[in-house]
Amino acid sequence: EDQVTQSPEALRLQEGESSSLNCSYTVSGLRGLFWYRQDPGKGPEFLFTLYSAGEEKEKERLKATLTKKESFLHITAPKPEDSATYLCAVQAPTGGSYIPTFGRGTSLIVHP
Amino acid sequence: DAGITQSPRHKVTETGTPVTLRCHQTENHRYMYWYRQDPGHGLRLIHYSYGVKDTDKGEVSDGYSVSRSKTEDFLLTLESATSSQTSVYFCAISESEGSPLHFGNGTRLTVT
Repeated sequence: EDQVTQSPEALRLQEGESSSLNCSYTVSGLRGLFWYRQDPGKGPEFLFTLYSAGEEKEKERLKATLTKKESFLHITAPKPEDSATYLCAVQAPTGGSYIPTFGRGTSLIVHP
Repeated sequence: DAGITQSPRHKVTETGTPVTLRCHQTENHRYMYWYRQDPGHGLRLIHYSYGVKDTDKGEVSDGYSVSRSKTEDFLLTLESATSSQTSVYFCAISESEGSPLHFGNGTRLTVT
């Protein structure tokens, strides 16, 4: 059973059409939740870290929020350059370490 | 961009041959990681290092070994490559255990 589940797997939006991506997790003792953006042929690029329920972070058209069971990445008025795969990762104690576990990602395409 | 260089960027090899992938960092970060990324599975941890000569296994470590003799270099070796090890391999670094990961641009490995 996956500890981190992202939905939807794929999302197509028109330019300017706001939406949200979801990352739900089942781990105990969450230490941090990370959001990344990955462009084709590149490594993931760090966006945000959230540490506690109620916390929010913003960067340009992106806003990340965190509850006790899930995180949302809200995309406001997206542009074609926001097209990418968005990954979330959770950090929780596993065998004495805190190595992040990644979800499978949401592939976002924004049409002009 | 974080100073992470992976080499080679692309490699094709035959089943049964040994393969070594290299990750080099210029950030002097303590933690280094090797992940593989496959469609339908997302990023999965192979091995990680928490200091020179200090390494530990991830969830998909079978068939792989690592070495870290210097802070800046982390090597991943496929002892006898198999077709199931065809994948994109990403190296990542982090300053501390709770810090975000920063990724290289990956090595695409094909085992024929």
